[in-house]
Amino acid sequence: AQSVTQLGSHVSVSEGALVLLRCNYSSSVPPYLFWYVQYPNQGLQLLLKYTTGATLVKGINGFEAEFKKSETSFHLTKPSAHMSDAAEYFCAVSDQSNFGNEKLTFGTGTRLTIIP
Amino acid sequence: KAGVTQTPRYLIKTRGQQVTLSCSPISGHRSVSWYQQTPGQGLQFLFEYFSETQRNKGNFPGRFSGRQFSNSRSEMNVSTLELGDSALYLCASSLDSQRVTDTQYFGPGTRLTVL
Repeated sequence: AQSVTQLGSHVSVSEGALVLLRCNYSSSVPPYLFWYVQYPNQGLQLLLKYTTGATLVKGINGFEAEFKKSETSFHLTKPSAHMSDAAEYFCAVSDQSNFGNEKLTFGTGTRLTIIP
Repeated sequence: KAGVTQTPRYLIKTRGQQVTLSCSPISGHRSVSWYQQTPGQGLQFLFEYFSETQRNKGNFPGRFSGRQFSNSRSEMNVSTLELGDSALYLCASSLDSQRVTDTQYFGPGTRLTVL
C-alpha cells in the first residue's frame, strides 16, 4: 500500500522567492506521482505528474518537481512565487502496476501563502 | 471546451434527509469519479463510473450511491444524511481513469452542509 506525506500544512513565502513544497511517499513498487493545486472554491487541477522516464517533470504555471527514488521524494518547486500561486497543493501517489483513480492516495495538502 | 460542471454548488440539509448531486463531464469523457473532501479525512475516493457502469467503489457505506447516464452525466445520492457527511463533493472526468496518460479534470465541487 502506498502513502504520501506532505511536510508542512502551511507554507508562507515572499513574492518572488523560491517555492518549495515537500512530498515524501512510501510505496513498495514503482509509483506514479502527481501534484494537484486547489484554488479557493474550486476543484483540483493537475499541475504535473511523473510516470516514467525523465525524473525532472515540468508542469503548468512554472512549477516543476523531481522524482528522487533514493529519497522517496517528489518535491514541488517554483523559482519565483507569484501572488496567484496562493492555493492548496496536494501530492498524490499510485502504483504503476495497477493504475486507476480509485488507487490514488492523496496527501493532506499544503496551504501556500504568498507574502506581498 | 466547457469544463466539468457540478450542481448545485451549495446545499444545506438536515440529518436524515437525502440529497442528489449532479455532475456533467467534459464532452467526450466517459469516466466520472466522485470524491469526498473533508478537513479531517482529506480527499477520499467514493466511486467511479465508466460507460454507465460502476467500475470502482471506495470504502463508503451503502448510503452513498451513484449512477451514470448515457450522455455520461453522473449523479450521486446520499440517503439518511449524517452530520459527518458535511463535505465538499468533487466530481472529476477523464477519457478513461484507468490510463495514467489521461488527465482527470475536476469540477468546482458541491459544498454539502448537514445540520
